[in-house]
Amino acid sequence: GDSVTQMEGPVTLSEEAFLTINCTYTATGYPSLFWYVQYPGEGLQLLLKATKADDKGSNKGFEATYRKETTSFHLEKGSVQVSDSAVYFCALSEGIQGAQKLVFGQGTRLTINP
Amino acid sequence: KAGVTQTPRYLIKTRGQQVTLSCSPISGHRSVSWYQQTPGQGLQFLFEYFSETQRNKGNFPGRFSGRQFSNSRSEMNVSTLELGDSALYLCASSREGLNTEAFFGQGTRLTVV
Repeated sequence: GDSVTQMEGPVTLSEEAFLTINCTYTATGYPSLFWYVQYPGEGLQLLLKATKADDKGSNKGFEATYRKETTSFHLEKGSVQVSDSAVYFCALSEGIQGAQKLVFGQGTRLTINP
Repeated sequence: KAGVTQTPRYLIKTRGQQVTLSCSPISGHRSVSWYQQTPGQGLQFLFEYFSETQRNKGNFPGRFSGRQFSNSRSEMNVSTLELGDSALYLCASSREGLNTEAFFGQGTRLTVV
């Protein structure tokens, strides 16, 4: 079945550092790809998405590019802030059901120190 | 525009009991999905409802069930609770169609003692 593999955490960085969280996927068709973020005690918030190959999703300084040739969707940010500390999930959805059934990676906990 | 609302936020139940969780989707969203989040297994899909019909089902035992009402509100039920059912249960709603987004509620934290 479809699966998503994320970079193992936790990840700890200093403020203003460059961030990359790796995500690769396995899917039989042409999935949409998502990054969700979860702050402590909260549900998931959509950070960005890409629906086809070479699409770039971006939001709040975060970016990810849908790379079909490497089946990857790595999350990047040029300069992280303390407020970016959270758990980040890469996810895919596929087929006619669209976003109604998501397959998630295991999550990467990010801590930013001042 | 109100978001996805889940009630209650926290629950403590005893082994063997049953529990019902509720989810009100964003207005206009007809699809409601449920997920279980645990430290060990991560986020796992439970089931999805659309127009009062279960359309997708994950790999969970029959103790986990759900339903959807005509106003798109959904409930999930877990019977004969086990300690391993302790988790954060998340509900998500979305519009029908390809490339749509799922919007999540804050979840219900269930603790089974």
